[in-house]
Amino acid sequence: GAGVSQSPSNKVTEKGKDVELRCDPISGHTALYWYRQSLGQGLEFLIYFQGNSAPDKSGLPSDRFSAERTGGSVSTLTIQRTQQEDSAVYLCASSLASGRTYNEQFFGPGTRLTVL
Amino acid sequence: LAKTTQPISMDSYEGQEVNITCSHNNIATNDYITWYQQFPSQGPRFIIQGYKTKVTNEVASLFIPADRKSSTLSLPRVSLSDTAVYYCLVVLAYSGAGSYQLTFGKGTKLSVIP
Repeated sequence: GAGVSQSPSNKVTEKGKDVELRCDPISGHTALYWYRQSLGQGLEFLIYFQGNSAPDKSGLPSDRFSAERTGGSVSTLTIQRTQQEDSAVYLCASSLASGRTYNEQFFGPGTRLTVL
Repeated sequence: LAKTTQPISMDSYEGQEVNITCSHNNIATNDYITWYQQFPSQGPRFIIQGYKTKVTNEVASLFIPADRKSSTLSLPRVSLSDTAVYYCLVVLAYSGAGSYQLTFGKGTKLSVIP
């Protein structure tokens, strides 16, 4: 497709279970970002990928959160042993190579995670 | 990055021009000002970006005074479909680390009234 896609669109899970969220960036975009948006709040940066490497993981809130990217394309955000405070909308964004200058980030529709 | 301050909410009637002002007193020399729009249940969408003076595209205009400590997003003749949250961001023009993570505040919730 032409835009960033994310799956699933909604995920309901029980506390303590693991979840995987997927992001398909725009073809050719080597930079990929994960953000989290809690109800009524602004977006919170989680992690940045350039290609398959993650030079900036500073936003991951705990070691229960991890992410990987394969083939310079699809990325998966994994949350282990989910907690109720993990409930939020998880957004993925991609852009052309982040190098010497800022490039516009294109956002996906997000995955709404609800932890019961 | 410079912190931004913008009104929490605004109301406007259809057909009116809407101006949303954002303050960013500590903006650095190489920072740009960027605005995003977010509809319910969607990711943010880029609207416009500028460095100084005036920038205009098919959607909006962005006015930035010489001191760059504030900026104003102008939406001409709004319609009901412009009801959304509008975010003002300061972004690095260049990051040595390569990461251009965006810092979003709570934005301005614009409600367009029929």
